[in-house]
Amino acid sequence: QKEVEQNSGPLSVPEGAIASLNCTYSDRGSQSFFWYRQYSGKSPELIMFIYSNGDKEDGRFTAQLNKASQYVSLLIRDSQPSDSATYLCAVKGSYIPTFGRGTSLIVHP
Amino acid sequence: DGGITQSPKYLFRKEGQNVTLSCEQNLNHDAMYWYRQDPGQGLRLIYYSQIVNDFQKGDIAEGYSVSREKKESFPLTVTSAQKNPTAFYLCASSRPGQGIYGYTFGSGTRLTVV
Repeated sequence: QKEVEQNSGPLSVPEGAIASLNCTYSDRGSQSFFWYRQYSGKSPELIMFIYSNGDKEDGRFTAQLNKASQYVSLLIRDSQPSDSATYLCAVKGSYIPTFGRGTSLIVHP
Repeated sequence: DGGITQSPKYLFRKEGQNVTLSCEQNLNHDAMYWYRQDPGQGLRLIYYSQIVNDFQKGDIAEGYSVSREKKESFPLTVTSAQKNPTAFYLCASSRPGQGIYGYTFGSGTRLTVV
């Protein structure tokens, strides 16, 4: 059984701070890793993907992957209230990704 | 603009009734998927299709059926055999290329049993 674990939160950070979201996975054969943002009542939106160990930056977002330790993280710099949402981690091995339950992020002014 | 259209946005089902959720995409994606999301839960895969006229069961296919007669369309039928259908249903598609592309999601259909 492939598992993807996320702390459900909520993670509360002040505006302007760095939000750090973490995800661990069980399948060592996993190859692709995705972060989706889901606002309340809406559908998920892909915001980051990473395939190689290390960091990948896109604007205020940085995805970090450590395959040896089987974790992937998402950093959000200069957090804004509009970043308040649930962040879903998805891990893909051969074809179908497995989703975590998501971490709720609250950015307060 | 390309995207995925799900309809209706809200759907109410009576006990013993079959209902069909529509999913149409104009992204020219080969693969399409149906997920169910319950409060506090992750996404659970119902069915997926990699090519026209072929589809595979996901983790929770019981009580659901699908068809894939056209590349653009992947409707989901929630049958009366699904005893707890109240949930948020999400349709998604992805480009071909094993393991390297993420999903594009539709806006979802919220199904409620009345």
